Amino acid sequence: DTGVSQDPRHKITKRGQNVTFRCDPISEHNRLYWYRQTLGQGPEFLTYFQNEAQLEKSRLLSDRFSAERPKGSFSTLEIQRTEQGDSAMYLCASSLASAQAPEQYFGPGTRLTVT
Amino acid sequence: AQTVTQSQPEMSVQEAETVTLSCTYDTSESNYYLFWYKQPPSRQMILVIRQEAYKQQNATENRFSVNFQKAAKSFSLKISDSQLGDTAMYFCAFMKGGAQKLVFGQGTRLTINP
Repeated sequence: DTGVSQDPRHKITKRGQNVTFRCDPISEHNRLYWYRQTLGQGPEFLTYFQNEAQLEKSRLLSDRFSAERPKGSFSTLEIQRTEQGDSAMYLCASSLASAQAPEQYFGPGTRLTVT
Repeated sequence: AQTVTQSQPEMSVQEAETVTLSCTYDTSESNYYLFWYKQPPSRQMILVIRQEAYKQQNATENRFSVNFQKAAKSFSLKISDSQLGDTAMYFCAFMKGGAQKLVFGQGTRLTINP
């Protein structure tokens, strides 16, 4: 079990550029979640997938944000026309869709800095 | 909407002491889960302990235990025999039944001093 992995770990970009992050969940997990965490705060939910279907999106997820999970395995999160307020840690988590084992396992995160 | 409140932004104790972190939540749901996660400095979020709302018995995992007071909507974490490696941000989190999104509190920064 290799755990949840995220790539890149750090990204510095200029305002107005597009960025894309990747998340690889634990292999047998069918649910995948994206959260955003700003310094000193708890993570905030952005969106989640069950297999390839996107089941819920937060109102935090503006039109500039899009997430995909095309084959029900890895997921990508794209931010278009980045703004300084997008600077944060972007966390990915995965879980089973199971009432008996609902706990989510987190990756190391991608830290985005928009200059 | 559910909310989770951690009223202690920071705590500090000596190694080997026992420490209790507080968490309250607000929900109208009857089926839910509560979690404590630990986030060490510059490291990833780790699950510490889980509690199902329908279970009256408090969860325990080695040195970590919870005090789940359902009527009071309180969910505190007790760390016994604290160790230097317990230094981290601790987040309380709520999940509606059905393996859905987590709602996190603001976190408590815990420092264990030698």
